[in-house]
Amino acid sequence: NAGVTQTPKFRVLKTGQSMTLLCAQDMNHEYMYWYRQDPGMGLRLIHYSVGEGTTAKGEVPDGYNVSRLKKQNFLLGLESAAPSQTSVYFCASYGGVGYTFGSGTRLTVV
Amino acid sequence: AQSVSQHNHHVILSEAASLELGCNYSYGGTVNLFWYVQYPGQHLQLLLKYFSGDPLVKGIKGFEAEFIKSKFSFNLRKPSVQWSDTAEYFCAVIGGSQGNLIFGKGTKLSVKP
Repeated sequence: NAGVTQTPKFRVLKTGQSMTLLCAQDMNHEYMYWYRQDPGMGLRLIHYSVGEGTTAKGEVPDGYNVSRLKKQNFLLGLESAAPSQTSVYFCASYGGVGYTFGSGTRLTVV
Repeated sequence: AQSVSQHNHHVILSEAASLELGCNYSYGGTVNLFWYVQYPGQHLQLLLKYFSGDPLVKGIKGFEAEFIKSKFSFNLRKPSVQWSDTAEYFCAVIGGSQGNLIFGKGTKLSVKP
């Protein structure tokens, strides 16, 4: 089924560990986004990409890096995880008809 | 920069009550507006969207929203809520040339059976 797939769905990290979250879309969308959702804060944009090979910072980029080597994939990296990065992470892509969201990754940093 | 305000943090209603959730955006011009719903433990689902045309927009599950340009508002309504409408509701607007959605902080709706 067409859509946005995020892996993993859950992860627990220790402070200082690194990890990569994968977002994959099969709709040939140019635009892709990474958001984090925290209670009472809504969704805030971390990084985004307007096409293969391009990335840009959003509202809360510190502590994260991204890459878009292939059009269908948008990777979000945490080089040295901190407890403040405990959150639910959503990926989204945008095509002409609207936005499609992934099912989220719940990350806990202890 | 564009921003979105949702007036209510938590709304508690009894079944069959009418619902109106407020949403205001910060500046005018052409705006593209959305309401999303997030059921507990799930991802965002689109309820409805407004791009242009009729300012009264009908969405899924009996929801509707009215775009009032003069008030910079896009309030969500439902005439009679059900227990299954218990969820968090997010208003969003497309902000900037990068096309990203800017979200309000959300309104949690609890419907008592």
